[in-house]
Amino acid sequence: DAMVIQNPRYQVTQFGKPVTLSCSQTLNHNVMYWYQQKSSQAPKLLFHYYDKDFNNEADTPDNFQSRRPNTSFCFLDIRSPGLGDAAMYLCATSRDRGLAPNEQFFGPGTRLTVL
Amino acid sequence: GQQLNQSPQSMFIQEGEDVSMNCTSSSIFNTWLWYKQDPGEGPVLLIALYKAGELTSNGRLTAQFGITRKDSFLNISASIPSDVGIYFCAGQSGTASKLTFGTGTRLQVTL
Repeated sequence: DAMVIQNPRYQVTQFGKPVTLSCSQTLNHNVMYWYQQKSSQAPKLLFHYYDKDFNNEADTPDNFQSRRPNTSFCFLDIRSPGLGDAAMYLCATSRDRGLAPNEQFFGPGTRLTVL
Repeated sequence: GQQLNQSPQSMFIQEGEDVSMNCTSSSIFNTWLWYKQDPGEGPVLLIALYKAGELTSNGRLTAQFGITRKDSFLNISASIPSDVGIYFCAGQSGTASKLTFGTGTRLQVTL
């Protein structure tokens, strides 16, 4: 089945120690998104890639960066995790952007714990 | 960022009952989406709506895209225990197909 895959599902890191989360998709979608979700809140968009074009949200901290080496893979790098970065990180994809249908499909998420 | 007003915030219902939740916005959207999220998992798309006035069903779920394009509702009929979770509405517009999420409705189903 075509899907969005995130690894690992659970990640523990230490305060200040860089961490990378990964996302892959078999949907061959052009757009990939990274969201941060804290408990009982809606997902918050960090940035997205339209093909190789990176689009950062205005309020995304510099501590968060992303790479998309090819269509299938996208990485979220947290350079110096703080305690406030503990959250669920969700990857999503959409076929394209602009005219519908361009629903976003989410992966299962990576739960990040910062010690 | 902007969030949509989603109500109710939480619901406790008995198995077999029908459920209704809605989302309202001050802005218009081109697409309305409804997602369900189980604990520790990512949101799963339930229904997508593309036209004002559109009424779409997916099994026991029915959703409508409001005529004004500023609201949507989701109905669940004959609820079952596996309906438990958090339901999010999301409006989509603009060239980036970004989502504006509702605040979520937490559904609990008792036997």
